[in-house]
Amino acid sequence: ETGVTQSPTHLIKTRGQQVTLRCSSQSGHNTVSWYQQALGQGPQFIFQYYREEENGRGNFPPRFSGLQFPNYSSELNVNALELDDSALYLCASSPSGLDAEAFFGQGTRLTVV
Amino acid sequence: AQSVTQLGSHVSVSEGALVLLRCNYSSSVPPYLFWYVQYPNQGLQLLLKYTSAATLVKGINGFEAEFKKSETSFHLTKPSAHMSDAAEYFCAVSDGDAGNNRKLIWGLGTSLAVNP
Repeated sequence: ETGVTQSPTHLIKTRGQQVTLRCSSQSGHNTVSWYQQALGQGPQFIFQYYREEENGRGNFPPRFSGLQFPNYSSELNVNALELDDSALYLCASSPSGLDAEAFFGQGTRLTVV
Repeated sequence: AQSVTQLGSHVSVSEGALVLLRCNYSSSVPPYLFWYVQYPNQGLQLLLKYTSAATLVKGINGFEAEFKKSETSFHLTKPSAHMSDAAEYFCAVSDGDAGNNRKLIWGLGTSLAVNP
């Protein structure tokens, strides 16, 4: 167990709705990254937060947004859900540095119908 | 920009046989490379990582990988497969600057099946 917890584990939403996913990072880690993993694909980088500031973003539209809190936990918000947003959303926490290991939560399975 | 290619989306081996999962990377700078394993409906777990120290890296569960700069490869091996090794394996390279702006670039994954 990594100490990174995500909630909820499963979620079903209707197209057009909004969703908030939560991630509690491992103690001592100041960096949180979010990834989207579609079925049969590798994870795709959404964005990263370091000490409450977004400091990197992948090729995702602005309706994907996030927050990091002073305790380094994080939220991923997705507005105007589309069917293609159905995926496993993974949160990873890590300390600073390019060689630092990322510790992943078990993910949130989002289904948009 | 960094990139990772995993050769073979599905690999099937017999229990006790050698496991070889291939990963090639593209990087303009010395890379940091990682292998992660994902069990069904789970997050990813680090198997091992290369950070420019020893070129042969040993990881958990008997896995190891060798960094070969001349071949731009970082293949994952295990001498003897176990049924519990059946999972999805991902190779990743760390992309970013020397500060805190980093992300992992992932391969598409290789699904390993272990037959009795």
